[in-house]
Amino acid sequence: QVQLQESGPGLVKPSETLALICSVSGDSISNDNYYWAWVRQPPGKGLQWIGSKSYSGNTYYNPTLKSRLTASIDTSKSQFSLRLASVTAADTAVYFCARQTNGNNYGSYWNFDLWGRGTLVTVSS
Amino acid sequence: SYELTQPVSVSVALGQTATITCGGSNLGTKYVHWYQQQPGQAPLLVIYRDSDRPSGIPERFSASNSGTTATLTISRAQAGDEADYYCQVLDNYIWVFGGGTKLTVL
Repeated sequence: QVQLQESGPGLVKPSETLALICSVSGDSISNDNYYWAWVRQPPGKGLQWIGSKSYSGNTYYNPTLKSRLTASIDTSKSQFSLRLASVTAADTAVYFCARQTNGNNYGSYWNFDLWGRGTLVTVSS
Repeated sequence: SYELTQPVSVSVALGQTATITCGGSNLGTKYVHWYQQQPGQAPLLVIYRDSDRPSGIPERFSASNSGTTATLTISRAQAGDEADYYCQVLDNYIWVFGGGTKLTVL
């Protein structure tokens, strides 16, 4: 059974960098059938895609966040991570990691088929 | 940037059929996916590629996509179907979610 588990700081000060890790168990993070993604949800609001990355290095970022984002994958630890720089209160949200089917492969359609439980990150001094 | 429009809320009587729409420009040319999110939980994929159901999703969940509107239909609505529902598409390697619809089962 594949599981995703986010870990993060909970509280980040304005202007600092938010760093999140998603640990993958039950499957190889090097599986070419998937990308590994981050989605966030501000309190009481809807879902916003942040970015997606494949183990081979292909990376896509939300243009509204791109200048502040860095995504990476550590295959040795079966983890993928996100760094968001210069955070403000607007970055306060529940951050989900998700597995995304690789639409470049036949029979896959870029949907998010598995999600972590999410971790709340609050930006406040 | 591409936008998806969903009604903020939809109500359905217990055992009746709920319909949730998702609107977007030329939406019928894109694959639409639907997610259910129970309060305090992660989203769950309930429909992918316009109308396919993942393993474990009841047949009561169905969907279609044509023109500028995609529709999620929940037949024989149950109390456990009360949740937020989001549509999602890909547009030029930007993954876009609709604003979400809160389904209330009366």
